[in-house]
This record gives sequence, C-alpha cells and structure tokens, in this order.
Amino acid sequence: DIQMTQSPSSLSASVGDRVTITCQASQDITNYLNWYQQKPGKAPKLLIYDAFNLETGVPSRFSGSGSGTDFTFTISSLQPEDIATYYCQQYDDFPRTFGPGTKVDIK
Amino acid sequence: EVHLLESGGGMVQPGRSLRLSCAASGFTFNSHAVTWVRQAPGKGLEWVSVISASGGDTFYADSVRGRFTISRDNSRNTVYLQMNSLRTEDTALYYCAKDRDYFDSWGQGTLVTVSS
Repeated sequence: DIQMTQSPSSLSASVGDRVTITCQASQDITNYLNWYQQKPGKAPKLLIYDAFNLETGVPSRFSGSGSGTDFTFTISSLQPEDIATYYCQQYDDFPRTFGPGTKVDIK
Repeated sequence: EVHLLESGGGMVQPGRSLRLSCAASGFTFNSHAVTWVRQAPGKGLEWVSVISASGGDTFYADSVRGRFTISRDNSRNTVYLQMNSLRTEDTALYYCAKDRDYFDSWGQGTLVTVSS
C-alpha cells in the first residue's frame, strides 16, 4: 500500500499569514494527488485535484504543487473560515490512501 | 445539484451485519464510480471501497476485504455497502462520495457503532 505522510500535524497561524502543508508519498504517484478540507462536524470538501487543479468554486488563495513523492498545499492568506483539517489523498493505486491530516488553527 | 444521502447506520453488536445505502441524485449516476470513506470518532479519513460505474469492478481496503461487499443498483441510483462480521474497530461515520479519482461530492455520513 502507498503510505501518505503529512507535516505538520497541526499549526497555528494569524489571519493573513501564508500557510504551507507538505504531503509525502511512499512511492512515486506522479500527480495523482488530491487535497480535501474538513471542517468540524462536516463532510470533507475537495479543494485541489491532480496535485494542482483548483476545484470549481474554491477560492484562489488555495493552491497545490508537486509531483512524484513530494507535494505542497498552500493557503496564501489565511482566513478565519479556513479553520479546518486538511488531508491529502493518492489515487495512483488501490487502496486509495489519505494522509493523517493537518489541523489548522487561528493564532 | 449533486446530492448523496447515506442511510442504514446504527448500533450493532460485534459479529453482526448491517447494510448501508447511498442514494444519489443530480448527476448521471450510471456514469460514475462511487466510493465509501469512513472516519472513526476523532480520527482521520480511511478509504473503504469503490465500485465502478457499471458495477463490474470493485476494490476494498485490506481492513474490510472479505467482510464488506459493495454493490449498486443503477435503476435506483443507489450504492450499497453490506457489512458482515462487524468489529468494534468498524465504528465510524461512513461517507459515500462520487468518485472521479477525486471525491468531488460527499454525503453527510451515517454513523455505525459496533458495541456489545
């Protein structure tokens, strides 16, 4: 199985800060990587697919990059409504696997 | 508007069975795969199973293979997850999602609690 790791596991930042989360796959997954946002008590929401494509309707302050085994998710200017846990997920192979999540808080 | 509605969750004793349903609307159901993802209380997301658009292909997580069976009825726009030999570690909120290799629409989940 492809293992996904994320760092950090949690972070606290101020409104307006640039926030970066990294995701690493245990093997090359080309660009078969998605990012989701999950707010407390809510279902996950797709933000980024295929490593860097912004899902329709998602604010442009969210972005993704990377390929192979190393990926980055960025919020260019953190907003109060971005408080959530963020997950990466690979679809290069079955079983699909998620990263453990990164919890983002406002300082 | 895409809508997915899970049902069938509840409390069940270890070793018993439960069948979850995922009713879909707002898209061409028989053209899309559907995935189940679960989330144990306070934990992260775990992918469980997927069924292809036709129902001809299915895949499972190692943790459920041999105990869970995914199926679909395209005439009813519904996907099912038959869960047998349930274990306490299957306790989770179960989500279904429209699967285009990325999960672009999700239901609100149905809670399964396995406890004696």
